[in-house]
Amino acid sequence: KQEVTQIPAALSVPEGENLVLNCSFTDSAIYNLQWFRQDPGKGLTSLLLIQSSQREQTSGRLNASLDKSSGRSTLYIAASQPGDSATYLCAPPPGAGGTSYGKLTFGQGTILTVHP
Amino acid sequence: EPEVTQTPSHQVTQMGQEVILRCVPISNHLYFYWYRQILGQKVEFLVSFYNNEISEKSEIFDDQFSVERPDGSNFTLKIRSTKLEDSAMYFCASGGRSSRGTDTQYFGPGTRLTVL
Repeated sequence: KQEVTQIPAALSVPEGENLVLNCSFTDSAIYNLQWFRQDPGKGLTSLLLIQSSQREQTSGRLNASLDKSSGRSTLYIAASQPGDSATYLCAPPPGAGGTSYGKLTFGQGTILTVHP
Repeated sequence: EPEVTQTPSHQVTQMGQEVILRCVPISNHLYFYWYRQILGQKVEFLVSFYNNEISEKSEIFDDQFSVERPDGSNFTLKIRSTKLEDSAMYFCASGGRSSRGTDTQYFGPGTRLTVL
């Protein structure tokens, strides 16, 4: 059973800082891993999907890396802005063993606050 | 840009009543999902649906829950007899144009269900 841990649980930084959010997962035989953003009381916005064959994926100021062998993914946010304040969630599917139709397992998330 | 839509945004019901939550997935997607998030807790997988049948379901998805794709566009989640502990935000997601549903999943804005 896939289990996901995200560290830190919360992060508060001044605007402009570069950030690192960490995600670890127990079943490393995954096809891909998705990072999401969730604003309070809102739905989930997909940020990045990184395939198992990739080591990194970039979108604007966001960069996600994936190290399957160690069961870890990292989300880098460059030059943080107050608008980046949200909860960031990583979600791998189950490992390749057994039947899987893309169900995602979520961590508790990292609550990010960026101060002006 | 295509998006997943959900109605209603908020549903209040009495314990024991039936509710139907509705979703319109992105039109060319093949895999459909329901997740839920109890306030302050992780997002949890409920069920995946592919080729007009349930492909996977979690322990939460018991006999009180059912899903249906009644026409070519809507995807519904029915809770037959609601309990207090069903109060949560329910998210619909779609994705997986590739086999095994390993593409990006796109989430709707959610329906907040309150059971009194």
